[in-house]
Amino acid sequence: SQKIEQNSEALNIQEGKTATLTCNYTNYSPAYLQWYRQDPGRGPVFLLLIRENEKEKRKERLKVTFDTTLKQSLFHITASQPADSATYLCALLDGGSQGNLIFGKGTKLSVKP
Amino acid sequence: GAVVSQHPSWVICKSGTSVKIECRSLDFQATTMFWYRQFPKQSLMLMATSNEGSKATYEQGVEKDKFLINHASLTLSTLTVTSAHPEDSSFYICSAILPLSINEQFFGPGTRLTVL
Repeated sequence: SQKIEQNSEALNIQEGKTATLTCNYTNYSPAYLQWYRQDPGRGPVFLLLIRENEKEKRKERLKVTFDTTLKQSLFHITASQPADSATYLCALLDGGSQGNLIFGKGTKLSVKP
Repeated sequence: GAVVSQHPSWVICKSGTSVKIECRSLDFQATTMFWYRQFPKQSLMLMATSNEGSKATYEQGVEKDKFLINHASLTLSTLTVTSAHPEDSSFYICSAILPLSINEQFFGPGTRLTVL
C-alpha cells in the first residue's frame, strides 16, 4: 500500500531564510501530489497541487517540485516569515478512489524572528 | 468561496453517550464529503467517504455501526459517534470537494471530541 513519509517532524529556521520540506512516497507515482498547511486546532488549508508531468509549481513565495524518479516532492518557502510557522502536510490521491487522500504526518515549521 | 463549517468546534461528553458532529458546505453543493480523524502528532486518517443520498463508504478498521454517517443533503453531512469511549477522543475533520473536481479538498475547522 502507498505510504507517505515526511522525514522531518520539525524544522526550525531563521526569518528570511528558505525553508525546504521533504515528502517521499513508497509505491506508485500518483497523478498529482498536494501540499496543505495546518495550524494548531484547525483543519488543513490547500496550498498547491503539482501533477506528475510537472517538474515545478510556484505560487508567490511557495515552490513545489515533483520528482517521480526519486518518488519525492520538495516544498520550499522563500523569504520565510514567522507567520509561515505551521505544520505542512503532504498528500496524494489514493489510487482508484473517488478523491481519497493519503496524508503524511506533516512537518512542523517554526520561523524565528 | 468553498467554505466548509463544522459544528460544534469542541465537545466534551461522558463515556457511553452519543455525539453528533455536523459538516456543512456553505457556498457550494458537495456531493462527496470526507470524514477524517487526527490524533496528536499523527496524520489525518480517512474514516469514511460520504455521498449524498447513498450509504457512506468506510475505510478498513472503521466500525460503521459506531460511526454513523448521514449525508442527507448536498450541503450537510453528519457524523455520529455512538456509545463514545475515551479512546474515541480525537480531532475530527470533514472535507468536501467541488462537483466534478477531485483535485482540491476544502476542510472544515475540525471538532475536538473529548470523552470522559
